[in-house]
Amino acid sequence: GAVVSQHPSWVICKSGTSVKIECRSLDFQATTMFWYRQFPKQSLMLMATSNEGSKATYEQGVEKDKFLINHASLTLSTLTVTSAHPEDSSFYICSARDRGGALEDTQYFGPGTRLTVL
Amino acid sequence: GENVEQHPSTLSVQEGDSAVIKCTYSDSASNYFPWYKQELGKRPQLIIDIRSNVGEKKDQRIAVTLNKTAKHFSLHITETQPEDSAVYFCAASPTNSGYALNFGKGTSLLVTP
Repeated sequence: GAVVSQHPSWVICKSGTSVKIECRSLDFQATTMFWYRQFPKQSLMLMATSNEGSKATYEQGVEKDKFLINHASLTLSTLTVTSAHPEDSSFYICSARDRGGALEDTQYFGPGTRLTVL
Repeated sequence: GENVEQHPSTLSVQEGDSAVIKCTYSDSASNYFPWYKQELGKRPQLIIDIRSNVGEKKDQRIAVTLNKTAKHFSLHITETQPEDSAVYFCAASPTNSGYALNFGKGTSLLVTP
């Protein structure tokens, strides 16, 4: 149980285009989903916290107009990287909290999406 | 906000030896401390976690200790095996963060046969 999927697993795009990444909780309802970014050989950095039906909360330094987050249902959150540039190339990982889980602080991670912007 | 420091950044041990990774945190409101193992290009995998009402937790070869007064927690891996080689991250979650995780910078563990 507690499986989180991401799509696509990798994507290559041209500079200036937009890319959408989906994060789904497959067997549970996710009250909250989180988006992290991980550059090579670095740690995971929290980008934003997404609650179903409300606006995402962005961490300091993360441009909300560039990284659009939508959490329209309890099983799906999307991250859209708008007007992507090479410096946005990174590993994007989502995680989700189980709404009905006994351990409300446990997060389940998706497999990540490798974004390469040419 | 929460600041998590992790040491060492790299650790090399012989198979069968023990490995210890240490983390400190700054926010006294943090009450959840997970440890993740991440292999190259893959998702972080939760290996053990501890909550602030407990001082120690063990799961087979893996144990975690927490000292809330000193604000530090440690991961202990005994009888290491080559398949334990990976990057390990500690994290802390303040109660007022909506359960968001603040990660340490990671420790690259290499277990040599």
